[in-house]
Amino acid sequence: AQKITQTQPGMFVQEKEAVTLDCTYDTSDPSYGLFWYKQPSSGEMIFLIYQGSYDQQNATEGRYSLNFQKARKSANLVISASQLGDSAMYFCAMREGLGGGSNYKLTFGKGTLLTVNP
Amino acid sequence: NAGVTQTPKFQVLKTGQSMTLQCAQDMNHNSMYWYRQDPGMGLRLIYYSASEGTTDKGEVPNGYNVSRLNKREFSLRLESAAPSQTSVYFCASSEQPSGGSIFGPGTRLTVL
Repeated sequence: AQKITQTQPGMFVQEKEAVTLDCTYDTSDPSYGLFWYKQPSSGEMIFLIYQGSYDQQNATEGRYSLNFQKARKSANLVISASQLGDSAMYFCAMREGLGGGSNYKLTFGKGTLLTVNP
Repeated sequence: NAGVTQTPKFQVLKTGQSMTLQCAQDMNHNSMYWYRQDPGMGLRLIYYSASEGTTDKGEVPNGYNVSRLNKREFSLRLESAAPSQTSVYFCASSEQPSGGSIFGPGTRLTVL
């Protein structure tokens, strides 16, 4: 079974509108972390936002927020006021456990390609 | 502060050739990782090193070996390249559980 599922291969949004990218996860570990990364066409991986399993509040970073619904095991990324530069592939990822030592290996979803239209 | 650097950026190999991908980080991170990215597959972990002197297999380790040379450097070796190893390879490092892993720019490898 996939540990991270991103059901939207592609999404389109108009500039200045908000968009939600879906992510569901599967783990039996009570301690885990959820991450979102952006990969523009240039290929680099850019860390956007993090949510810990014990965090009470939804994470926010500027125009990015994470809609964390623990009971549903979902961690959707919300981008507000989309910009043309937001066009990219977006990956959801999970770290399970607190990590042995400082081991924070990630399991990634297959990604969602977001296109922002002018 | 260069972050994570990888060499080379591009490489073409023939089946059966060997090569080593180099990775270095200057952030004093304990943990380092090698991922591969294939179309439609996301990133998959090949090997990781939780600390200097230790290495462990990830999800797709077959056909690869790694060396954690020191705290800064973590190399990935393909002993006998196969076309199935055509991929983009990313090195990453991390320190904090809540901090995102910092990725290198990637190496695009083609095996003919």
